[in-house]
Amino acid sequence: QVQLQESGPGLVKPSETLSLTCTVSGSSIRSAYYWSWIRQSPGKGLEWIGSRYHDGSPYYNPSLKSRITVSLDTSKNQFSLKLTSVTAADTALYYCARHGAGTAAFAHFDYWGQGALVTVSS
Amino acid sequence: EIVLTQSPGTLSLSPGEGATLFCRASQTVTNNYLAWYQQRPGQAPRLLIYGASSRATGIPDRFSGSGSGTDFTLTISRLEPEDFAVYYCQHYGSSLFTFGGGAKVGIK
Repeated sequence: QVQLQESGPGLVKPSETLSLTCTVSGSSIRSAYYWSWIRQSPGKGLEWIGSRYHDGSPYYNPSLKSRITVSLDTSKNQFSLKLTSVTAADTALYYCARHGAGTAAFAHFDYWGQGALVTVSS
Repeated sequence: EIVLTQSPGTLSLSPGEGATLFCRASQTVTNNYLAWYQQRPGQAPRLLIYGASSRATGIPDRFSGSGSGTDFTLTISRLEPEDFAVYYCQHYGSSLFTFGGGAKVGIK
């Protein structure tokens, strides 16, 4: 059974970097899937942040691209998100998720983590 | 960027009734890259429908999706107590995933 679990600080100061990790079980991050981050806030709803394949370049939401890095650690079967220069607008519930690499499976997210609440405040 | 508009924003229904939710795209959706998710309070979204009309693994057949072009529909044939939740549509295109604003199915 595929499971994803987010972890990281729940409080980040303005202008600092938000860092989250997603630990994957039941599926290798070397397999034919993209590993993604999505966030949810009352003001902006669900917002895709970015995705990465194990042997490919990441692709990011253009609205966040200048501040995002998604990286994979195949040795730990984990992937991570770094979001720099955060403001209160980055306060959200952050989900990690998976979408397929094949044509039929590419365009939707089939497994999600439970979410990690991150608050940006001094 | 395609904008997805969901309607109605809220439905108030009783268990056993049917529900129809709409998702309108601001431009034509290619390859039927349109999915639906259910989100219960305190839980992550759960994939219901992908490719506009294919049910995800383990999803009951009371859930069905239809549509093409710019207009898509999620139908729940008979509401069970666990179906009262928020539903989102989602599109992929031009290297970008976007979500609709959500529609709540509440208990009357």
